[in-house]
Amino acid sequence: EAQVTQNPRYLITVTGKKLTVTCSQNMNHEYMSWYRQDPGLGLRQIYYSMNVEVTDKGDVPEGYKVSRKEKRNFPLILESPSPNQTSLYFCASSLSRTVPNSPLHFGNGTRLTVT
Amino acid sequence: AQSVTQLGSHVSVSEGALVLLRCNYSSSVPPYLFWYVQYPNQGLQLLLKYTTGATLVKGINGFEAEFKKSETSFHLTKPSAHMSDAAEYFCAVSDSSGGSNYKLTFGKGTLLTVNP
Repeated sequence: EAQVTQNPRYLITVTGKKLTVTCSQNMNHEYMSWYRQDPGLGLRQIYYSMNVEVTDKGDVPEGYKVSRKEKRNFPLILESPSPNQTSLYFCASSLSRTVPNSPLHFGNGTRLTVT
Repeated sequence: AQSVTQLGSHVSVSEGALVLLRCNYSSSVPPYLFWYVQYPNQGLQLLLKYTTGATLVKGINGFEAEFKKSETSFHLTKPSAHMSDAAEYFCAVSDSSGGSNYKLTFGKGTLLTVNP
């Protein structure tokens, strides 16, 4: 089954403790992206990757890191989480962002709480 | 730069009533438009998309949307709401602003409640 898989689904951590949220897609998509969803703010893009070894900042990149060493994986790293990073996070992939009508496929989300 | 405005963060309808969710966009070039649906505790799923051609687009679950260039709108409708339609709906626009990479920008979402 074609899908984007995120882990974990739920994560509670403390301020400053490094964490990684994994994302994997099995559709051979070139493009992958991370979003955070907050009430009243919709989805905001954190980072994106046009292809392997190519990553770039989205609209809200502060406090996050990503890497794209393989085509299928795109982990999100929080080196020193803070309470304002408490949010619902989504990974998404697309065949290519040079194709304008290529839709995004989303994972089921990771709900992160930082205390 | 493109932007998307969804009028009404919360829409409530009765079961069997018309669903109308509004979306207006601004884009510097002809846009590609999408509607996504998010059911509780799930990721976003593609409902329908407009690229070129017919301005009335049919999607899954009986939804459709009409692209109106003169009004810069892409409103989502369904003739008769069902309880299972209760979800959050996001409008999105994809354009390149002249470059080769297309960015997808989302609206802030509209929560649809369906009352029995």
